[in-house]
Amino acid sequence: NAGVTQTPKFQVLKTGQSMTLQCAQDMNHEYMSWYRQDPGMGLRLIHYSVGAGITDQGEVPNGYNVSRSTTEDFPLRLLSAAPSQTSVYFCASRLQGTEAFFGQGTRLTVV
Amino acid sequence: KQEVTQIPAALSVPEGENLVLNCSFTDSAIYNLQWFRQDPGKGLTSLLLIQSSQREQTSGRLNASLDKSSGRSTLYIAASQPGDSATYLCAVWGIQGAQKLVFGQGTRLTINP
Repeated sequence: NAGVTQTPKFQVLKTGQSMTLQCAQDMNHEYMSWYRQDPGMGLRLIHYSVGAGITDQGEVPNGYNVSRSTTEDFPLRLLSAAPSQTSVYFCASRLQGTEAFFGQGTRLTVV
Repeated sequence: KQEVTQIPAALSVPEGENLVLNCSFTDSAIYNLQWFRQDPGKGLTSLLLIQSSQREQTSGRLNASLDKSSGRSTLYIAASQPGDSATYLCAVWGIQGAQKLVFGQGTRLTINP
């Protein structure tokens, strides 16, 4: 059982480039979410999904898009990367009322 | 707006000691509370989940308590070991905005051999 898998683990982007961070889970969890972790700011919610076809914004959604076409996958798209998006990104999933499981993270640097 | 605070921000103790990490939250209307461990450069590992109807949960040397009325949770670590060194994060699921896990800033724990 792989749990929550994030790819890539590391990425360097130039300002203005776009990219997609991948997240997949094999636990049939309906809830999936993306967080970013920054020094002094802790973990903050970017976007979340309560099931295939349903997404909503979190605390810091600007500059990011998501979609949920399947239960397993929840990709996060950076439309036009900015240095302020340099961060560590975590994907999480859970069943309602149960514990959340996190991926190993994607460390993104925007130069 | 729910806010979660963890005190202290850092803690250093000798091996073998029992210790308590504290977590407080401002809105007592929560579904549950979860404790995580994060090693440097790694993801979050779930330690314990306490449902809102529960008072405590135990796993091995770890015991977490929850007092919703006072907005507090504690994580008790018995007989600490150097391998327990990590950052410990507390997070709550609110009833309002139930899909939004709100995190504290964490306590960085160092166990000295």
